[in-house]
Amino acid sequence: DARVTQTPRHKVTEMGQEVTMRCQPILGHNTVFWYRQTMMQGLELLAYFRNRAPLDDSGMPKDRFSAEMPDATLATLKIQPSEPRDSAVYFCASGLYFGTVWFGPGTRLTVT
Amino acid sequence: AQKITQTQPGMFVQEKEAVTLDCTYDTSDPSYGLFWYKQPSSGEMIFLIYQGSYDQQNATEGRYSLNFQKARKSANLVISASQLGDSAMYFCAMRDDGSSNTGKLIFGQGTTLQVKP
Repeated sequence: DARVTQTPRHKVTEMGQEVTMRCQPILGHNTVFWYRQTMMQGLELLAYFRNRAPLDDSGMPKDRFSAEMPDATLATLKIQPSEPRDSAVYFCASGLYFGTVWFGPGTRLTVT
Repeated sequence: AQKITQTQPGMFVQEKEAVTLDCTYDTSDPSYGLFWYKQPSSGEMIFLIYQGSYDQQNATEGRYSLNFQKARKSANLVISASQLGDSAMYFCAMRDDGSSNTGKLIFGQGTTLQVKP
């Protein structure tokens, strides 16, 4: 049963610490998305990749966020330094060129 | 620029009745895909249904159907025979698949559906 996996599922950290979230897209999927969900802003697209190349990261605060795909089976989202306003659920999703996009279970981040 | 609008923040429906959740979109690309996702209180995003802009028939998946009206740029989700387990947040989303082919997938603000027994 193919699915998108994300680690960790929950993360509590102190302000100023580095946070790394990982995503394993469904094998063979060539498009990977990172979203952030908060009550106030809803689902925001932070960045997305096609064939491991970043296509758009305009939704991401560049000074503290970075997203990479070191290989086709791993996408990472880093926050350094983290701030309380980064507290949110971060979703990774993957898909093919066309068709369905599947979401991972999300990482719930709390920055104190 | 792409835009997705869901104008109903919250809706109620009686169990076993049908309900329509509204979604309008805007894009200049003739090739695009439309999606609906369900997010229950547990938080996961569950894919429900997909409609391509060139699909002639409205998409259906079990009790879910997508009422696609291209000229009106609307893609409403119809849930037939509502069940208590349908209570959740529902998101409409769109992806541009055309010449720009950026594949960018954006979401509306969501509609909270509550099914009453």
